[in-house]
Amino acid sequence: EAGVAQSPRYKIIEKRQSVAFWCNPISGHATLYWYQQILGQGPKLLIQFQNNGVVDDSQLPKDRFSAERLKGVDSTLKIQPAKLEDSAVYLCASSLGYLTGWRETQYFGPGTRLLVL
Amino acid sequence: ELKVEQNPLFLSMQEGKNYTIYCNYSTTSDRLYWYRQDPGKSLESLFVLLSNGAVKQEGRLMASLDTKARLSTLHITAAVHDLSATYFCAVDITLGNQFYFGTGTSLTVIP
Repeated sequence: EAGVAQSPRYKIIEKRQSVAFWCNPISGHATLYWYQQILGQGPKLLIQFQNNGVVDDSQLPKDRFSAERLKGVDSTLKIQPAKLEDSAVYLCASSLGYLTGWRETQYFGPGTRLLVL
Repeated sequence: ELKVEQNPLFLSMQEGKNYTIYCNYSTTSDRLYWYRQDPGKSLESLFVLLSNGAVKQEGRLMASLDTKARLSTLHITAAVHDLSATYFCAVDITLGNQFYFGTGTSLTVIP
């Protein structure tokens, strides 16, 4: 079974530029998550989708971050404009579905390492 | 805001020794997860603990959950070098649709 795919794996941009990340979840997984992991910290949940609807985006900095999941499969996360503090690894994860109100095991992709100069 | 704290943050132990990593959280939850992350790699799910008193074991790792104390432990038995990694606990606050990771414990097992 193929895992969660993410691209690009690495990205270097200058502050105030825009950047986009792509995620392809495991086939059949209805729930998709985007996390931000700053060096030395645990991942922080940015947004969670159930199919193509947003379940939780309470920690997404909406003034500069946006995400979409068209057709309930692939997802993109965009930052516009980027700031120095956005330097981090952006992880995508997926799970079968948000059943009965609790989160099932999440399967993580390899992540995209972003450096903002 | 929910706080999820792990103790210790860094752990260096000799092969063959036993040790416990602690995960404390600040609000009510009865679902707790443990993940492993190797350097430069993504996260791998280890355990899902779904109720008070839950205990799960896989190889040299055993995880438990005490929801009344808001505490989970990850016990390492007879450590081997392959266990060197960073271990994260994560807590699910379903009512608020929130999911929080702990600070992480960086484990190094020395031959």
